[in-house]
Amino acid sequence: GENVEQHPSTLSVQEGDSAVIKCTYSDSASNYFPWYKQELGKRPQLIIDIRSNVGEKKDQRIAVTLNKTAKHFSLHITETQPEDSAVYFCAASGGGGADGLTFGKGTHLIIQP
Amino acid sequence: DTGVSQNPRHKITKRGQNVTFRCDPISEHNRLYWYRQTLGQGPEFLTYFQNEAQLEKSRLLSDRFSAERPKGSFSTLEIQRTEQGDSAMYLCASSLAQGYGELFFGEGSRLTVL
Repeated sequence: GENVEQHPSTLSVQEGDSAVIKCTYSDSASNYFPWYKQELGKRPQLIIDIRSNVGEKKDQRIAVTLNKTAKHFSLHITETQPEDSAVYFCAASGGGGADGLTFGKGTHLIIQP
Repeated sequence: DTGVSQNPRHKITKRGQNVTFRCDPISEHNRLYWYRQTLGQGPEFLTYFQNEAQLEKSRLLSDRFSAERPKGSFSTLEIQRTEQGDSAMYLCASSLAQGYGELFFGEGSRLTVL
């Protein structure tokens, strides 16, 4: 089955700086890679996703890049703000008929004022 | 609120007892998923339905776990003979079945097994 590794587990950045979270996956047939944000005590919510036929996708301050050859993808947040503080999960889906997302263990992003 | 709803939100039970959780998905969504999340971990896939058909179950799902979606609307997840290791947040999510797309999660049902 799919295995997703996520790094770092904790990331502390100054407000206004950029944050980068990286994930690798094992199943080369995977073709959908979403990122979810989970604030303390709340449900995970999709913030951005990318499919395997695209190398990069942006949405305002958030961008995701995908390198299918290396089997890794990254989340980039620019101009970080206090409300960006949360746990971020990457996930991978697809391949072998499996429709369930496999999530990474999460990155706790802390925005220092 | 037209989002995914789950109940009960919290359940405390003694080891060996059975528990059942209910999930009501967004009405037009025909895919429904169950995940389990423990502290410091990402959601772990358990099973999913397309309409009333259960299409996939994780190999991690023991025989004590069973899920149903009898009419293709709400779903139940039952855990029989609970063990302390079953303590976790059980998340339900729903989506439209058009390839891969956004999962809309409920707020979860937290299970504590004493």
